[in-house]
Amino acid sequence: DIQMTQSPSTLSASVGDRVTITCRASQSINNWLAWYQQKPGKAPNLLIYKASTLESGVPSRFSGSGSGTEFTLTISSLQPDDFATYYCQQYHTSPYTFGQGAKLEIK
Amino acid sequence: EVQLLESGGGLAQPGGSLRLSCVASGFTFKTFAMNWVRQAPGKGLEWVAGIGESEDNRDFADSVKGRFTISRDNSENTLYLQMNSLKVEDTALYYCVKDSGPWATYFDYWGQGTLVTVSS
Repeated sequence: DIQMTQSPSTLSASVGDRVTITCRASQSINNWLAWYQQKPGKAPNLLIYKASTLESGVPSRFSGSGSGTEFTLTISSLQPDDFATYYCQQYHTSPYTFGQGAKLEIK
Repeated sequence: EVQLLESGGGLAQPGGSLRLSCVASGFTFKTFAMNWVRQAPGKGLEWVAGIGESEDNRDFADSVKGRFTISRDNSENTLYLQMNSLKVEDTALYYCVKDSGPWATYFDYWGQGTLVTVSS
């Protein structure tokens, strides 16, 4: 199975900060990577697919980059609504594995 | 508007069975792959099973292979997950998830989940 490792697991930041979350795959997944946001008690919500393509309706402060084994999710200027848990997921090879999550907390 | 409405969760004993259902609306169900993804209490996300647009393709996580079956009724816009030989570690919120294409792509819509608790 392809292992997905996110760092950091927890991140404290303030409104207006620029934040980057990293996701590493245990083998190359080309750019078959998606990012999801999950708020407490809610289902995950797709943010980015194919490593860098923004899903329709997602604010442009979110961006993704990377290919192969290393990927990043960047939020350019944190808004109050962005404090949540973020997951990466590879869809290159079954089983379609997720990272363990990165919880973004208010500093 | 895409809607995915899960049902069928509840309490089951170890070794027991449950059947989850997911009724879909707001898109052409028969042209998209569908999946089940679960989340144990306080834990991360785990893909469980997927089925292609026409049922020709089905795939399962190793943790449920041989115990769970995924199926769909395109005439009723409904996805199913038959869960047999349940284990305590199957306790989770089970999400019905729409694929963005006919097979094995990213997940663009999620239901709100149905809770499965396996306990004696």
